[in-house]
Amino acid sequence: EAAVTQSPRSKVAVTGGKVTLSCHQTNNHDYMYWYRQDTGHGLRLIHYSYVADSTEKGDIPDGYKASRPSQENFSLILELASLSQTAVYFCASSDGGLSAETLYFGSGTRLTVL
Amino acid sequence: QQQVRQSPQSLTVWEGETAILNCSYEDSTFNYFPWYQQFPGEGPALLISISSVSDKKEDGRFTIFFNKREKKLSLHITDSQPGDSATYFCAASEGDTGGADRLTFGKGTQLIIQP
Repeated sequence: EAAVTQSPRSKVAVTGGKVTLSCHQTNNHDYMYWYRQDTGHGLRLIHYSYVADSTEKGDIPDGYKASRPSQENFSLILELASLSQTAVYFCASSDGGLSAETLYFGSGTRLTVL
Repeated sequence: QQQVRQSPQSLTVWEGETAILNCSYEDSTFNYFPWYQQFPGEGPALLISISSVSDKKEDGRFTIFFNKREKKLSLHITDSQPGDSATYFCAASEGDTGGADRLTFGKGTQLIIQP
């Protein structure tokens, strides 16, 4: 069964601090994604990656960096956390680059920036 | 610019009734439309999908109706059950054309089934 694991499940950070959200998948999928979910905005793509050591910008990349050190791991980094980055973050993976592939999501990380 | 729109934002129906969730899109290159279901505290999961070559897709109590000319689709949930209470996201992509590596999601419809 497909498995995408995110850590931590929740986090409280201070404004201006550095935050790293981690994602690990055991699906052997090439593609990994980071989405942000806010009430009233649905799911918005921040960064994605289709191969290790390479990342691509999504629709709302400003204020975020991503790192893909291996096929299994994909991190989202907030170098200087801001209040506006309070949200739930979801990692997902998919088998191929074609968008008809199914996305498998993790359970999310709830980030609160104070 | 919102490329995928969903309505209503929230919907409450009685158990046993048919719930109808609507979705529309703007980009005529979109040709693959999955619906994702999300329960509280969980990530979304694929429920059912349709490609633009079809006008209807059924999976049990869930049916997608697709109107390519009007760029509209709807998800019908017949014989609604309390366990169907969730948020439903319509999404769109260029599918097998290979032109995109991403899905564009709507803002979601929160469905509540009253017993």
